[in-house]
Amino acid sequence: NAGVTQTPKFRVLKTGQSMTLLCAQDMNHEYMYWYRQDPGMGLRLIHYSVGEGTTAKGEVPDGYNVSRLKKQNFLLGLESAAPSQTSVYFCASSFRTSGSGEQYFGPGTRLTVT
Amino acid sequence: DAKTTQPTSMDCAEGRAANLPCNHSTISGNEYVYWYRQIHSQGPQYIIHGLKNNETNEMASLIITEDRKSSTLILPHATLRDTAVYYCIVRAPYNTDKLIFGTGTRLQVFP
Repeated sequence: NAGVTQTPKFRVLKTGQSMTLLCAQDMNHEYMYWYRQDPGMGLRLIHYSVGEGTTAKGEVPDGYNVSRLKKQNFLLGLESAAPSQTSVYFCASSFRTSGSGEQYFGPGTRLTVT
Repeated sequence: DAKTTQPTSMDCAEGRAANLPCNHSTISGNEYVYWYRQIHSQGPQYIIHGLKNNETNEMASLIITEDRKSSTLILPHATLRDTAVYYCIVRAPYNTDKLIFGTGTRLQVFP
């Protein structure tokens, strides 16, 4: 099992550019999450999904959009990148039956917006 | 989710057991205790969780007091690769809000 994978690992964007971060999991998890982590700070939840075709806003959703067209994939989009979105982005997934406390995280995507 | 209190930092000699405490005196009956760690620059890693019984897996053991107001994560034979920040989280399993990691305990394993 590859677990949770994220693509790309690193990216540099100019202000106003757009991009999509891909998260894929091969554990058949129902729940998936996108977090961001700024230096020296804790994780903040951007969006999450409790199943294919459903998404919900987290703590800091502004400036981001998500889609969950397939159970194994959760995409995070930045339509018009801003320097404030420079961060490390982590995707996570969990089973519905075991609850959302047991989350498995990907290795992260380091995004810099200049 | 109930609030947790952990020491800021701890040291442990390689090969010895690392015992990381966590206080969660306001835990409610349906809340579990979860432990994660984050090694520098990597994604958080789930370690173990429990409700009221002691739990053990290939990574660690979790000891929860009878009154459930505190717990201890035990790494039986710490290695240098176990150097990380360890987080104790208390939450109901079907809470879909973010995991609140708090400040955690920075464990330094030395040779």
